[in-house]
Amino acid sequence: LAKTTQPISMDSYEGQEVNITCSHNNIATNDYITWYQQFPSQGPRFIIQGYKTKVTNEVASLFIPADRKSSTLSLPRVSLSDTAVYYCLVGAGFYNTDKLIFGTGTRLQVFP
Amino acid sequence: GAVVSQHPSWVICKSGTSVKIECRSLDFQATTMFWYRQFPKQSLMLMATSNEGSKATYEQGVEKDKFLINHASLTLSTLTVTSAHPEDSSFYICSASRAQSSYEQYFGPGTRLTVT
Repeated sequence: LAKTTQPISMDSYEGQEVNITCSHNNIATNDYITWYQQFPSQGPRFIIQGYKTKVTNEVASLFIPADRKSSTLSLPRVSLSDTAVYYCLVGAGFYNTDKLIFGTGTRLQVFP
Repeated sequence: GAVVSQHPSWVICKSGTSVKIECRSLDFQATTMFWYRQFPKQSLMLMATSNEGSKATYEQGVEKDKFLINHASLTLSTLTVTSAHPEDSSFYICSASRAQSSYEQYFGPGTRLTVT
């Protein structure tokens, strides 16, 4: 399973766009990139998953360059409620029965 | 849809006793369930993978005799912490995969265990 590296923490203000980058230099051909969000004392919540190029849903966008050695989660116009820990996972694969290995995550703090 | 519940949400027990935590998929059948442990300010650590009707697969370093996992049906998995000690105090989270569905795993709200 490919290891991931993320910034430990980030600060932002309401209304700003936040980009969290994750490095995964050893990503394998079959690996997908998945992002989860976790609030204190709650279970993680799926945000987005992608394999290459760009993926967008109602919550976020995921940018993946051609070499796939990194990825960027983009949160448009964050609000206070986006304060959480964001985890980048690689190697979870396409199948939901694959085990997930969580890295350190990025603690995002949004200020008013 | 795709809701996973855990019971209890928090529990306090005395050292040496056993505690059972339930994980239920409320509106779907879960072929596979996972159990995680999370210490304060740390990431989730996968403990084991359980498939309905078969023995759980434990991650390296996790004592299978201490953390008993039973996946008796497609909607219920249980984790029993046997002979609990204060160092077992943690946040335990389960997740479930919906059969014949997408790649997403659905997480429960977690159970806070405190051993005194």
